[in-house]
Amino acid sequence: GESVGLHLPTLSVQEGDNSIINCAYSNSASDYFIWYKQESGKGPQFIIDIRSNMDKRQGQRVTVLLNKTVKHLSLQIAATQPGDSAVYFCAENMNSGNTPLVFGKGTRLSVIA
Amino acid sequence: KAGVTQTPRYLIKTRGQQVTLSCSPISGHRSVSWYQQTPGQGLQFLFEYFSETQRNKGNFPGRFSGRQFSNSRSEMNVSTLELGDSALYLCASSPGGLQSYEQYFGPGTRLTVT
Repeated sequence: GESVGLHLPTLSVQEGDNSIINCAYSNSASDYFIWYKQESGKGPQFIIDIRSNMDKRQGQRVTVLLNKTVKHLSLQIAATQPGDSAVYFCAENMNSGNTPLVFGKGTRLSVIA
Repeated sequence: KAGVTQTPRYLIKTRGQQVTLSCSPISGHRSVSWYQQTPGQGLQFLFEYFSETQRNKGNFPGRFSGRQFSNSRSEMNVSTLELGDSALYLCASSPGGLQSYEQYFGPGTRLTVT
């Protein structure tokens, strides 16, 4: 498959364990954040988003935490499965949706069966 | 609803040639953004079109251009191709109005320049 990042940080997790993927964002004025998952040969797929007036949001098996004090975002995946293996990107939006998303470099999650 | 579609999926071109890539957004979406993805630079924003007008532009040379049609379909063009233009080109659509942040990506066009 296509490689989206030859030198990405990699997180290896045992199947069934929880995964935590971290992201430091750049702009304290950013008001919206998204996590994307990109599998080999595919475009990024939306996972979960959070607005800056929240510090936690939960989805199905995923939770996003936002710490505005230190400009840090994390994605927690519960009971990690082999299908979760992918590259995960955080993205931030700085101004009410009329400016482009800024993407982080990504983290490769590798699930060990 | 059908997702974002991009054509072609794969393309091989020679240095100096030009190329046109196409993107059809999700029905009802008025904003289309283009990104270049490479192993070294990650996802970099090229430009965004909304209602046939370029609304935002990234830091790419003028060889990279785009347009949007009245049906919201978009094309991007790269002229005088260079080896460094080899990348995955991704298109993303969103509803496009104020407070509409969420973007949905297509599968991308893999461009190889030889």
